[in-house]
Amino acid sequence: GAGVSQTPSNKVTEKGKYVELRCDPISGHTALYWYRQSLGQGPEFLIYFQGTGAADDSGLPNDRFFAVRPEGSVSTLKIQRTERGDSAVYLCASSLTGSGVVDTQYFGPGTRLTVL
Amino acid sequence: KNQVEQSPQSLIILEGKNCTLQCNYTVSPFSNLRWYKQDTGRGPVSLTIMTFSENTKSNGRYTATLDADTKQSSLHITASQLSDSASYICVVKGNMLTFGGGTRLMVKP
Repeated sequence: GAGVSQTPSNKVTEKGKYVELRCDPISGHTALYWYRQSLGQGPEFLIYFQGTGAADDSGLPNDRFFAVRPEGSVSTLKIQRTERGDSAVYLCASSLTGSGVVDTQYFGPGTRLTVL
Repeated sequence: KNQVEQSPQSLIILEGKNCTLQCNYTVSPFSNLRWYKQDTGRGPVSLTIMTFSENTKSNGRYTATLDADTKQSSLHITASQLSDSASYICVVKGNMLTFGGGTRLMVKP
């Protein structure tokens, strides 16, 4: 079956603009995660959804970042007033239940965001 | 089940008038309640964040109230302006964030 998909694959924007990044999780997965990965670094956790609710948003760096998952499936990561430091690959992952140490997260290909 | 319900779903008012948006929640445990404003095509902007012990918080013409006993919050907008036209989202944080459906406000001249 289809894996996690993310759109767009690449996004170039100007400093100060607003961007939306989309994640389509694996069908039936209740847990969805957003990560950010800067060049040469491991993924940095942003936010975790369980169904429609954000179970943990402690990784969002500031109020410019916001994510929604209104129907418990597709999620959108929204970044306003983008800054050059926001440039990174934004990774989305989903897992079946989000609980337990053996619950595997499946990653999408990421969206490469470049803020000029 | 944690739920956040907002009313009305949409509202049209004349410029200069006041309005109040409602948010009722069943979220436990409760950490804080946030009101956001989202303009069309833009990301949400935080207006207020209130914890359990706070009953009211103002941000310019926006005043939020919280009654943690009845689990109700309101956002009052005074002397509305055309730029107040937006969606207003109530978000309650417990163990997770639970989002309301939003109230779409339109201010007409």
